[in-house]
Amino acid sequence: KQEVTQIPAALSVPEGENLVLNCSFTDSAIYNLQWFRQDPGKGLTSLLLIQSSQREQTSGRLNASLDKSSGRSTLYIAASQPGDSATYLCAVPDGGGGNKLTFGTGTQLKVEL
Amino acid sequence: GAVVSQHPSWVICKSGTSVKIECRSLDFQATTMFWYRQFPKQSLMLMATSNEGSKATYEQGVEKDKFLINHASLTLSTLTVTSAHPEDSSFYICSGVGTGYRVNYGYTFGSGTRLTVV
Repeated sequence: KQEVTQIPAALSVPEGENLVLNCSFTDSAIYNLQWFRQDPGKGLTSLLLIQSSQREQTSGRLNASLDKSSGRSTLYIAASQPGDSATYLCAVPDGGGGNKLTFGTGTQLKVEL
Repeated sequence: GAVVSQHPSWVICKSGTSVKIECRSLDFQATTMFWYRQFPKQSLMLMATSNEGSKATYEQGVEKDKFLINHASLTLSTLTVTSAHPEDSSFYICSGVGTGYRVNYGYTFGSGTRLTVV
């Protein structure tokens, strides 16, 4: 059974810092890995989707990397801003060819002025 | 990009009544819709998976007679919480995926529905 873990569970940083969020998964047979952002009381917003054949994806100040062999992904946020404060979730489809997503435990980020 | 519209965003209902939540895929055909429940400060818990035109598959421990799911078309799926009780109060989120989307485009989520049963 796929298990997805995110470290740290919570993070508080001053504005402007570069930071790294970590995601690890136990079953490396994944099609892709997706990073989401969730604001309090809101749904999930997709940030980046990395295919299994890719090693990284970039969108603005966000960069996500994927190392299937080691079962890890990182989300790098450059020059953090207060508006980046949210919970960040990584998720992978199940390895059995189905459509179910297994979510990580989430990292709650707070960027302070 | 793909958009899933979820309504209502919040609802308050009396104990014993039923509540319907709708999710519509606006610019793609959602062959599969997932329904999640989320408790405060916790990650999403998958409740059921519905494929267009067929019965939903419920996760273990989820009462199918309480949480009725209908996915009659490729653009609309509904979740009805029947005879709601205060313990059903939660945040419900849907997610749609179309043919080929799982691999190529990932999953698109609705904005969520905050249900409060009083």
